[in-house]
Amino acid sequence: QKEVEQNSGPLSVPEGAIASLNCTYSDRVSQSFFWYRQYSGKSPELIMSIYSNGDKEDGRFTAQLNKASQYVSLLIRDSQPSDSATYLCAVKRGQFYFGTGTSLTVIP
Amino acid sequence: DGGITQSPKYLFRKEGQNVTLSCEQNLNHDAMYWYRQDPGQGLRLIYYSQIVNDFQKGDIAEGYSVSREKKESFPLTVTSAQKNPTAFYLCASSRAGGGDEQFFGPGTRLTVL
Repeated sequence: QKEVEQNSGPLSVPEGAIASLNCTYSDRVSQSFFWYRQYSGKSPELIMSIYSNGDKEDGRFTAQLNKASQYVSLLIRDSQPSDSATYLCAVKRGQFYFGTGTSLTVIP
Repeated sequence: DGGITQSPKYLFRKEGQNVTLSCEQNLNHDAMYWYRQDPGQGLRLIYYSQIVNDFQKGDIAEGYSVSREKKESFPLTVTSAQKNPTAFYLCASSRAGGGDEQFFGPGTRLTVL
């Protein structure tokens, strides 16, 4: 079983819609969770971190964490074409463990 | 500006050659990491270091070597023993605490000719 699993997509949403990205992790002791955005040919950029159950909002981004279900998600409201990228979920337990990423395309 | 720098941006290597990729950070972070990313795939951990003069193997350390003589620097050598070294190499750093975020450098794209 992989440490972190994501649906690879691709996920396509129209401009202005809500994009929902999901991630599950295997180890219950994991405490720190992160979402990165990676544009094609570029390095990952940290967009959200979340440590406690519940929601954390930052602008158009909301991260949701459910430790009982071992599930973390990222919602992008009012999606823009510039949000088109691969989104990586990461979990820290000593070292960092990354999912393979979900490719998102926002259609103008 | 604080950040992580990697050089070179692009690197071409002939088979049988060793090459060294540079990574420097001025964020005062204790921990540094090297990842490899292949097209359409996730990040795979090569080596990481939590403190100076100490480092640990990641999932795919074979054919690679590192050193950590200074807090700011964590160079990666890709040796001729690495069978398929063509990839995008990413250096990252974080504070060593439990919840601390990890930040990435711009990456080095290595191509073996």
